[in-house]
Amino acid sequence: KAGVTQTPRYLIKTRGQQVTLSCSPISGHRSVSWYQQTPGQGLQFLFEYFSETQRNKGNFPGRFSGRQFSNSRSEMNVSTLELGDSALYLCASSQKETQYFGPGTRLLVL
Amino acid sequence: GENVEQHPSTLSVQEGDSAVIKCTYSDSASNYFPWYKQELGKRPQLIIDIRSNVGEKKDQRIAVTLNKTAKHFSLHITETQPEDSAVYFCAATFSGSARQLTFGSGTQLTVLP
Repeated sequence: KAGVTQTPRYLIKTRGQQVTLSCSPISGHRSVSWYQQTPGQGLQFLFEYFSETQRNKGNFPGRFSGRQFSNSRSEMNVSTLELGDSALYLCASSQKETQYFGPGTRLLVL
Repeated sequence: GENVEQHPSTLSVQEGDSAVIKCTYSDSASNYFPWYKQELGKRPQLIIDIRSNVGEKKDQRIAVTLNKTAKHFSLHITETQPEDSAVYFCAATFSGSARQLTFGSGTQLTVLP
């Protein structure tokens, strides 16, 4: 099976802009979780979607949102970007507990 | 809130020696504990996981032990090789959130040839 894919791989934005990241899970996986990875805060959970419904949400402001489509692909959106949003955004897909990560989208906010 | 502490933050070993990384967690209801390896510029890759009904699990040179009473779990790598050099993360799921992983802060393992 093909692994988890994410697009785009790299993004440069300026403060105040918004961004949309995409994640395609492993075929047959219905759960997609999103994580933010930074040198200072490490890996932090953003949210999880299962069958198009948000099941869990981490401690991030409302500027961070997401959705999942009927084919299990997921998008996350960050509005009104701040410098501190610069990070590697990872998505992970799973059938049960085991999560498999995509390569990530590296976002740089200038 | 839920918390996972990981030690040490850096670890250097000679090739062929063993490496041990330890994690403690806060929620006694946690029931799933994966370990991920992340090489520079790459995605985290699952290397081994353990569930709360098991005390130990082994896969070739890698083993994980779980002590539910003490709320800690450890990763053991034997016969280390230079390609084992990477950042290792422990994680745990907490009650009510089967797919919400809380990660430790990571251990940079360097295997010296």
